[in-house]
Amino acid sequence: AQSVTQPDIHITVSEGASLELRCNYSYGATPYLFWYVQSPGQGLQLLLKYFSGDTLVQGIKGFEAEFKRSQSSFNLRKPSVHWSDAAEYFCAVVFPETGNQFYFGTGTSLTVIP
Amino acid sequence: GAVVSQHPSWVICKSGTSVKIECRSLDFQATTMFWYRQFPKQSLMLMATSNEGSKATYEQGVEKDKFLINHASLTLSTLTVTSAHPEDSSFYICSVGLAGRYEQYFGPGTRLTVT
Repeated sequence: AQSVTQPDIHITVSEGASLELRCNYSYGATPYLFWYVQSPGQGLQLLLKYFSGDTLVQGIKGFEAEFKRSQSSFNLRKPSVHWSDAAEYFCAVVFPETGNQFYFGTGTSLTVIP
Repeated sequence: GAVVSQHPSWVICKSGTSVKIECRSLDFQATTMFWYRQFPKQSLMLMATSNEGSKATYEQGVEKDKFLINHASLTLSTLTVTSAHPEDSSFYICSVGLAGRYEQYFGPGTRLTVT
């Protein structure tokens, strides 16, 4: 069965430090991959997506993510975190061979320390 | 991407009443809309897929008679929570799917509190 795992429920980083949020998926088919950010009481904003091609994708707000097929991973990174990055981050996966349903990870809550 | 709005952004209703939540695609025609539910500190749970002009497809465990979905036009889908109970209190988010593309754009969500 398809599933998405975000191993880190909560991460705390200092402002200016680097960040990596992990995302793993299970299923054999080729996935489409997304990262969304959600501020408290708000909807989801798309940070970046990967469909094919270059496995390192750039997104908004200085975020990037790298698709590693061998590890079934799509980790989100940012070289220098800003206080405004504090939010909930969701990884989502679509397996187009099986339909257009999004499978969401459980989310990672990011706290940024001044 | 698509711009999606939801109305209201928050609503409080009494137990036993019904409440309607609107989801609008503001800048393009959406043949498919999705409705999600999100509990505090949890991920999104897909409730149903709404297709314009046809009946919604509900996920397993979602009561279709309780959560009525109507996708009457290419820009509007509504979710009506009937005979609401406190356990229906949650954050409801809709999204719009782009035809032929595996992307979804999300509305800002509606906070429902049932007292």
